[in-house]
Amino acid sequence: QKEVEQNSGPLSVPEGAIASLNCTYSDRGSQSFFWYRQYSGKSPELIMFIYSNGDKEDGRFTAQLNKASQYVSLLIRDSQPSDSATYLCATPGRGGADGLTFGKGTHLIIQP
Amino acid sequence: DTAVSQTPKYLVTQMGNDKSIKCEQNLGHDTMYWYKQDSKKFLKIMFSYNNKELIINETVPNRFSPKSPDKAHLNLHINSLELGDSAVYFCASRQISGNTIYFGEGSWLTVV
Repeated sequence: QKEVEQNSGPLSVPEGAIASLNCTYSDRGSQSFFWYRQYSGKSPELIMFIYSNGDKEDGRFTAQLNKASQYVSLLIRDSQPSDSATYLCATPGRGGADGLTFGKGTHLIIQP
Repeated sequence: DTAVSQTPKYLVTQMGNDKSIKCEQNLGHDTMYWYKQDSKKFLKIMFSYNNKELIINETVPNRFSPKSPDKAHLNLHINSLELGDSAVYFCASRQISGNTIYFGEGSWLTVV
């Protein structure tokens, strides 16, 4: 059974600072990781995914993957109040049609 | 034009009733899912269907019965509703060869 662990927070970050969200996973065979953002009362939406060790940048977002340490992170630069949401880390299940196994999410609050 | 649509969005019902939630996707995807998000915001997969065939049935009570009449539709029927069934139910879809899972807007079920 794959497990994905996240600190539920809340994580409070001042506006303009870098928000760092972390995720660990139990299955060393996990190959890919997804970060979803969920605003209160809304559905999850994909921010980015990462397959390879190292960093992947997309605008203000950087995903980092360290397979040796079984650790994934999401950095949000120049944090804005609109970034306040719950961030969900996820990895695919066992087979091709499997859905994603999600962590419990980290609640991020950007303080103006 | 909504990619993954669910109905109803809100549903309040009494214990013991039977209810259904409908889901349709117009993305041409071959895989559809039902997820449950509880009061602690934990998002957990319930069912996965690929080309109308059940792929995953996680440890969900058999009071929950999914039905996929075609690739674009995945409905969820719940018998003998219990208080603990109160949650947000998300339908989702993806192309099995693709990366991204797209979520519907969610159906808020409250059992009283």
